[in-house]
Amino acid sequence: VQLVESGGGLVQPGGSLRISCTASGFTFDTYWMSWVRQAPGKGLEWVANIKHDGSEKYYADSVKGRFTISRDNAKNSLYLQMNSLRVEDTAVFYCARDTRCDGESCYSEGLDIWGQGTVVTVSS
Amino acid sequence: EIVLTQSPATLSLSPGERATLSCRSRQSFSDFLAWYQQKPGQAPRLVIYDTSRRATGIPARFSGSGSGTDFTLTISTVEPEDFAVYYCQQRNIWPPRHTFGQGTKLEIK
Repeated sequence: VQLVESGGGLVQPGGSLRISCTASGFTFDTYWMSWVRQAPGKGLEWVANIKHDGSEKYYADSVKGRFTISRDNAKNSLYLQMNSLRVEDTAVFYCARDTRCDGESCYSEGLDIWGQGTVVTVSS
Repeated sequence: EIVLTQSPATLSLSPGERATLSCRSRQSFSDFLAWYQQKPGQAPRLVIYDTSRRATGIPARFSGSGSGTDFTLTISTVEPEDFAVYYCQQRNIWPPRHTFGQGTKLEIK
């Protein structure tokens, strides 16, 4: 069971970046997925999550309207499109496995699998 | 919006001692609460979910308890590998957003 993030890098303020997360070892399309970030020297901040079938998406107020979460279940992949980036968005971004669903019945057992993180730096 | 406050910010203990970490909410909730351990340079690791259930591979010295507005993570006998930062996390039933506490650093005394 593994999550691997990619796509991080250096971007100027106001710029855009898309980061990805590839899952393996579990049935990806039965789980909600989340993005969580951690600014340098700071705590964890939940960013967004997406339902197992992609039909529902939720965002933290700090990124709403600027970030878009999406997924491609055929590719076992999760994405985060980040627009209008700000210096304060600089962080390590982690993808994490969220709630498990069996049809319309869902069961939360925590954010139980995490990737190693990808670093996003917003700076001029 | 749920706000989680963890205390103390830093807990200094010697190996073999008992650790008690607190997570409090301003408003009562009956929803999901979890605890995570994070060591420097590593991703967080789930320790406890659903207030008191140990995650896979977590030793029995870790236990969680609480309800309403007060939750506790207890390490019965701290081992050298337990020194880390611990975060509590709450998930609403609906909308299914997550909130983290600011963390408690468990350091070697």
